[in-house]
Amino acid sequence: DGGITQSPKYLFRKEGQNVTLSCEQNLNHDAMYWYRQDPGQGLRLIYYSQIVNDFQKGDIAEGYSVSREKKESFPLTVTSAQKNPTAFYLCASSNPGQETQYFGPGTRLLVL
Amino acid sequence: LAKTTQPISMDSYEGQEVNITCSHNNIATNDYITWYQQFPSQGPRFIIQGYKTKVTNEVASLFIPADRKSSTLSLPRVSLSDTAVYYCLGRMDSSYKLIFGSGTRLLVRP
Repeated sequence: DGGITQSPKYLFRKEGQNVTLSCEQNLNHDAMYWYRQDPGQGLRLIYYSQIVNDFQKGDIAEGYSVSREKKESFPLTVTSAQKNPTAFYLCASSNPGQETQYFGPGTRLLVL
Repeated sequence: LAKTTQPISMDSYEGQEVNITCSHNNIATNDYITWYQQFPSQGPRFIIQGYKTKVTNEVASLFIPADRKSSTLSLPRVSLSDTAVYYCLGRMDSSYKLIFGSGTRLLVRP
């Protein structure tokens, strides 16, 4: 089956800890995206990547980092600098220039 | 960067037609207008996309006037399972960033 997978489904972070959220796609899409969603709110763009080894900051990149070493993978690290990380994180992919994005099931991050 | 504007919430009853309108005054000339559906704790799901006039698929219709400053998603004969948040979005400039607003929370009652 083609699609986007995210893991884990739930993730717990301790104070001062960095955590990494996984996103993998087998749709052969060039572009990948990370969004953050807070309760009752829309999606906000954290980072996006249009091609391997290249990525751009979105609207709320502070406290986050990404890498794009492979076309199918776009992991997101939530660093200790992100003071309010509790949220639902969504990964998406598309072909550049297309508005249709395909989303993964999401990872819910909670702070202990 | 311009955003989309939608009603915060709408109520309906099973079997009714629901129309959700979105304004996007500054949408780029070449951009399509796309609508997504999201259930709680799930990723958004693509519903329909159009450029102008009317587009219809198996789940919805999309009406876009000639000036393209707004669009209307039409859901025929809604059921309880259509209760969700609906987002319209477009790319508001030449970047690859899509603009998600707060969406419209549709509640379908029995």
